[in-house]
Amino acid sequence: KAGVTQTPRYLIKTRGQQVTLSCSPISGHRSVSWYQQTPGQGLQFLFEYFSETQRNKGNFPGRFSGRQFSNSRSEMNVSTLELGDSALYLCASGSSSYEQYFGPGTRLTVT
Amino acid sequence: AQKITQTQPGMFVQEKEAVTLDCTYDTSDQSYGLFWYKQPSSGEMIFLIYQGSYDEQNATEGRYSLNFQKARKSANLVISASQLGDSAMYFCAMRGSSSGFQKLVFGTGTRLLVSP
Repeated sequence: KAGVTQTPRYLIKTRGQQVTLSCSPISGHRSVSWYQQTPGQGLQFLFEYFSETQRNKGNFPGRFSGRQFSNSRSEMNVSTLELGDSALYLCASGSSSYEQYFGPGTRLTVT
Repeated sequence: AQKITQTQPGMFVQEKEAVTLDCTYDTSDQSYGLFWYKQPSSGEMIFLIYQGSYDEQNATEGRYSLNFQKARKSANLVISASQLGDSAMYFCAMRGSSSGFQKLVFGTGTRLLVSP
């Protein structure tokens, strides 16, 4: 089975711009979760999608949004980028069991 | 709410020795799961091992074992026979029934360095 894929792997954006990150889960997995990792705040949960519905959301401003498509692929969008949004964004794919597998991440730098 | 505490910012071990990475947790949930992930410098989070709160036996996966002490709320990771490739950040995480579905709460991590 192919693992979780995330695109792009690296991204450089300017303050005020918006960005869209993509995540393709493991085949057969219907849950996709997103996490932000920064040196200061550590790993923080952004949101989770299951069968195209957001069923859990972390404590992030409305500039952070996401969606999931019928093929379980997910995108997250950050609008009006701030310097503090520079982070590693990780996507996790899950099934009905306990398993959660992460992708390689997208490293976003905001200048 | 769930909370994970990892008190060791860094650990050093020599190749072929065993090492224990500490993890304590706090939750009021009766049903929860505990995870350990490894994060090399490349950034990817690699799943190592899982322990359910109702599992009576400690989980083991190859060289990894989880020392689960429910009364103490601890879930320490034991790596036997360390290898140079084990050098990485290690994160303890949990998922509780009240936090919903797949949401993981992570600790701050422990950086493990394995020397020859």
